Amino acid sequence: KAGVTQTPRYLIKTRGQQVTLSCSPISGHRSVSWYQQTPGQGLQFLFEYFSETQRNKGNFPGRFSGRQFSNSRSEMNVSTLELGDSALYLCASSLDGAYYEQYFGPGTRLTVT
Amino acid sequence: AQTVTQSQPEMSVQEAETVTLSCTYDTSESDYYLFWYKQPPSRQMILVIRQEAYKQQNATENRFSVNFQKAAKSFSLKISDSQLGDAAMYFCAYRSNGANSKLTFGKGITLSVRP
Repeated sequence: KAGVTQTPRYLIKTRGQQVTLSCSPISGHRSVSWYQQTPGQGLQFLFEYFSETQRNKGNFPGRFSGRQFSNSRSEMNVSTLELGDSALYLCASSLDGAYYEQYFGPGTRLTVT
Repeated sequence: AQTVTQSQPEMSVQEAETVTLSCTYDTSESDYYLFWYKQPPSRQMILVIRQEAYKQQNATENRFSVNFQKAAKSFSLKISDSQLGDAAMYFCAYRSNGANSKLTFGKGITLSVRP
């Protein structure tokens, strides 16, 4: 079974630009979550999508948004990039339910200059 | 709000020895799950072990076991017979069993294994 894939793997953007990251979950997984990982803040939850609906949202500004498609693939968008948005963005997919483990992708390393 | 605390940022262990990684959490819920995830350098995060709060028995997975103390809200991970491949960042995580719950992570601990 193919794992979670994320594209692109690396991205360099300039302040003020916007960026879209993509995540393809494991086949059969309808829950997709996004996390931001930085050395200072650790892993912070961005949002979770299930069956094309945002089910939960972390404490991030409205510049961070996402969506999920009917095939469960998900995208997240960050508008008006700031230097502090530089991070590893991780996507994870799972079966529905708190019991189930989340399967993580390799992440997208975003650098904002 | 639920919080997960990993107070030790780094630990080191000799190959073949045993090491224990600490984690505490805060919650008012009674039904929840606790996890340890491993993130090797430049590799994907994977689940190491999971504990269901309603189960008193500590979970074990081969060389990995937990010490779950529900009243103390403590959830430590013991790695026995440490191997070089155990070197990684380890994250403790919590998730309530409620609807629309989210996975909350601790800050992580970097474990190095000395040959």
